[in-house]
Formats: sequence, structure tokens, C-alpha cells
Amino acid sequence: GAGVSQTPSNKVTEKGKYVELRCDPISGHTALYWYRQSLGQGPEFLIYFQGTGAADDSGLPNDRFFAVRPEGSVSTLKIQRTERGDSAVYLCASSPPTGAVGELFFGEGSRLTVL
Amino acid sequence: AQKVTQAQTEISVVEKEDVTLDCVYETRDTTYYLFWYKQPPSGELVFLIRRNSFDEQNEISGRYSWNFQKSTSSFNFTITASQVVDSAVYFCALSEESGGYQKVTFGTGTKLQVIP
Repeated sequence: GAGVSQTPSNKVTEKGKYVELRCDPISGHTALYWYRQSLGQGPEFLIYFQGTGAADDSGLPNDRFFAVRPEGSVSTLKIQRTERGDSAVYLCASSPPTGAVGELFFGEGSRLTVL
Repeated sequence: AQKVTQAQTEISVVEKEDVTLDCVYETRDTTYYLFWYKQPPSGELVFLIRRNSFDEQNEISGRYSWNFQKSTSSFNFTITASQVVDSAVYFCALSEESGGYQKVTFGTGTKLQVIP
């Protein structure tokens, strides 16, 4: 499809396990963002990539969270030693190189449940 | 302090009624952008509008209109003659010059239910 694709759409894991969430942005979009949305809350910024590099990772909550974008396209959000508090919908968004500020194209999210 | 406040958690209206969603923001920057996004039940956030801090002109797009008032730090969103398809969660958001504009801060959202 032409939109931002996120996999898996749902992930259930046990406390302490490792999880990877994948984001495939719109082709040609150079900027990629990860947000986290807890129930009843607005999306919360985690990290922003411009190309392959993380331009701003100030939203990552702790060192259990890490994200990569090795070829400047697909990105993977990695969560180590998951905790119940990590349960949320993880949203990915992308924007084109000439895109207007804040006009983000979001995927449908990956719902993570940590038991 | 919360940077974007949407005091209305949930609103229910009957179809064809007008409804206004409130948004109050807080920033120390003189240059910033304000946005509204819609999140339907499918979960995918959809961009609706962007306003920069130097443009206080109100905007109308079909049944949607936005009222930006710097004096009260508000950026309210009105839907005229609401329809069932307008049912969604609506988020107001802010990006600031000090954050390089790339970090968009969202409010907690207002859930709008339009009853047929």
C-alpha cells in the first residue's frame, strides 16, 4: 500500500521479554517518527530520524528502548526486558523531505500488551 | 506543565448540531505551529490543519473551521452540521521552534460522538 505500514498490528508478550516493532514509511519520506499512545492519552514523542540518524531521541523513556533505521527507510523499535508499563500503541509516522512542519503521515500502530 | 490542554474529554452531539472542540496551549517560543489531528476508530491519525504563530487568520474548510487567538493561547475547532462520520478522537498539537519543530506535542484528545 501507499501508506505507512507497521507490523505486527498486535503483539502480546510476557514481562521481561524482548520485542521488535517494525515501521515501513511512505516511499521517499526521509523523516520518520515513533510515538507511543497509552489508553486515553495523546501520542507521546519517542524519537525522530532524519535519514539514517536519530536526530532527536529525547523521548525514549529509558535505555531499554532503542530504535534503528540502518538504510534510511524501514525502522525498528526495540524494547528490552519489557515491563507491564510498556503496554501501549506504538505509532510510526513519516514525512517527505519537502513536507510542511508537523504534517505527519501515521500508520495504524502496533498494539503492545505486556502480561 | 502540560503544553496542550484539551479540557473536554468526551462530547456527544446529535447529528446536524454544531460542536466546538477547545484547545489551550502553552509555549515560551514566539514561533510555533499548532495542529489538529483526527483519530477515527481505525486508529490512524489524520492531519487536518496547521497554523503558524504569525497567522491568526481564521480558516474555514467545508464544515470545519478553526479559531486561533494568541491573546488567549487558544486554537479551537468547530464542526458545523456534524455528521456521524465525524465521530472520532480529535487531538490538538503544538510544535515549537525551540524543539526544532520536529517534536510534535499532542493534547490528551477529545472524543466526539455524533449520534444519528
